[in-house]
Amino acid sequence: RKEVEQDPGPFNVPEGATVAFNCTYSNSASQSFFWYRQDCRKEPKLLMSVYSSGNEDGRFTAQLNRASQYISLLIRDSKLSDSATYLCVVTTPGGFKTIFGAGTRLFVKA
Amino acid sequence: EPEVTQTPSHQVTQMGQEVILRCVPISNHLYFYWYRQILGQKVEFLVSFYNNEISEKSEIFDDQFSVERPDGSNFTLKIRSTKLEDSAMYFCASRVGRGSVQPQHFGDGTRLSIL
Repeated sequence: RKEVEQDPGPFNVPEGATVAFNCTYSNSASQSFFWYRQDCRKEPKLLMSVYSSGNEDGRFTAQLNRASQYISLLIRDSKLSDSATYLCVVTTPGGFKTIFGAGTRLFVKA
Repeated sequence: EPEVTQTPSHQVTQMGQEVILRCVPISNHLYFYWYRQILGQKVEFLVSFYNNEISEKSEIFDDQFSVERPDGSNFTLKIRSTKLEDSAMYFCASRVGRGSVQPQHFGDGTRLSIL
């Protein structure tokens, strides 16, 4: 089982659509969880941290289920500018090692 | 907004040569990281550094790699005797301390091309 596994994608959605990304992780001792986005040939940029209570930032909602070792990201009212690769990121206890999922590519079309 | 800066943006080196990639983390950050991303592949953890020593390293980070924080501001990655398969984008990241829940901030990367 991969350490961090994401939907392979790509996702092709029209503007205004709601899109959900899924991620699972194998190490139950994992401590911190994040969603990053990466544009083509650019650095990963933090989208949001993910907390057990769930958290929302505008059109973006992240959820964590520690029992199922599952993380999700929901984007509502998709914009053209949301087109990117979405990376699920997990850290080990202490945050000294970080594991990236392979990413899910999103294409939002007009 | 403070940012992580990396130099050079692109480095071309002959196979077998040594290369040093440089990073200036955000000034109040205490934890530093190097990653690589081979074209078309996922971001891979190389090494983390805290309190002037390596905290953790991956299987990729073998004896040809080393890191250093020589002067309190720069954080460098040295690759001795480069191989063709070292060609990749290398990202530096840093985070403030006080718990692993703090996210990492990434530099815009150095593209390393080994000929």
